[in-house]
Amino acid sequence: KAGVTQTPRYLIKTRGQQVTLSCSPISGHRSVSWYQQTPGQGLQFLFEYFSETQRNKGNFPGRFSGRQFSNSRSEMNVSTLELGDSALYLCASQPDSTSTDTQYFGPGTRLTVL
Amino acid sequence: GENVEQHPSTLSVQEGDSAVIKCTYSDSASNYFPWYKQELGKRPQLIIDIRSNVGEKKDQRIAVTLNKTAKHFSLHITETQPEDSAVYFCAASTGDNRLAFGKGNQVVVIP
Repeated sequence: KAGVTQTPRYLIKTRGQQVTLSCSPISGHRSVSWYQQTPGQGLQFLFEYFSETQRNKGNFPGRFSGRQFSNSRSEMNVSTLELGDSALYLCASQPDSTSTDTQYFGPGTRLTVL
Repeated sequence: GENVEQHPSTLSVQEGDSAVIKCTYSDSASNYFPWYKQELGKRPQLIIDIRSNVGEKKDQRIAVTLNKTAKHFSLHITETQPEDSAVYFCAASTGDNRLAFGKGNQVVVIP
């Protein structure tokens, strides 16, 4: 099976703009989780989607939002970008919405905010 | 919420020696503990995991031990090789059905 894919791989934006990132899970996987990775902060959980519903949400401001489509592909949107939003954004997929299954990560989208 | 801490943040070992990374967690409901390896510029990949009904699990040169009473689990890498150089993340399942990750350990294997 093909692995988790993310597009685009790199993005450069300026403060105040908005951005949309895309994640295609492994075929058959219905859960997609999003993480923000910054140096020294590890992987911080943004949210999880399962069957087009947000199941879980981390401690991020409302500028961060997401959605999931019927084919399980997920998008993440960040509005009114700030310099501190510069990070690697990773998505991970798993078959179902459970915390006890292996999560398979995508390669990430590197977002730079100038 | 769940708090997962990793120690040490950076670990340098001589090739052939063993490396041990320890993680502590706070949520008593945690019952699944995976370890991920992230090489430079690559995605995190699962290398081993353990569930709360098991105290130890081994896969070739890698092992994980779990102490539920003390709320800590450790990754053991024996006979380290240069390709073991990477950032290692531990994680714990949470009561609200997600994974909480530690901040990562940079392991450097010196040839």
